[in-house]
Amino acid sequence: GQQVMQIPQYQHVQEGEDFTTYCNSSTTLSNIQWYKQRPGGHPVFLIQLVKSGEVKKQKRLTFQFGEAKKNSSLHITATQTTDVGTYFCAGDRGGYQKVTFGTGTKLQVIP
Amino acid sequence: NAGVTQTPKFQVLKTGQSMTLQCAQDMNHEYMSWYRQDPGMGLRLIHYSVGAGITDQGEVPNGYNVSRSTTEDFPLRLLSAAPSQTSVYFCASSYLKGTESYEQYFGPGTRLTVT
Repeated sequence: GQQVMQIPQYQHVQEGEDFTTYCNSSTTLSNIQWYKQRPGGHPVFLIQLVKSGEVKKQKRLTFQFGEAKKNSSLHITATQTTDVGTYFCAGDRGGYQKVTFGTGTKLQVIP
Repeated sequence: NAGVTQTPKFQVLKTGQSMTLQCAQDMNHEYMSWYRQDPGMGLRLIHYSVGAGITDQGEVPNGYNVSRSTTEDFPLRLLSAAPSQTSVYFCASSYLKGTESYEQYFGPGTRLTVT
């Protein structure tokens, strides 16, 4: 079945440093979604990427979708303590197939 | 607009008991799904539905049943609870654009403990 892996599993950064998490799917995706989950909370949608090679920005967050539509990344510039949480990617193969979540990357920001 | 609601928020069951976790959404979303999240782990898909009357299995369906008689409701039934089912359960819903899902809205979760 489809597998979606994320690396790293954990990341500790000093406030102000950059952070990147990578997402890799074993199959080609129709779209990829990114979510953030704060400790004790529920996942909250951040963005969706659909096109091959697509890059989208949200303030300090930059999202990329690979050319082959099998991998993606999320980059945060100059982290802040409000960025703490677990970041998940989720891959949709389309065709009414299930959406598969990645394993997540837990980000800790040290003030 | 309440979004996605889940009840109960917390539940303690004894091994062998059955119960139903309720999930409802008021956004007319076609796609609904149930996930479980164990400590330090990601979200694992239990069951999902692309519309009323249509359900399918996810990665970890054993021990759980679902039905989708209306667009709004997607209850999850635990048939005979086991300690391995201790987890946080999230329900989510989204629009479908053609055959693809769009952003998923998650409920607040149900924290289930089986003793």
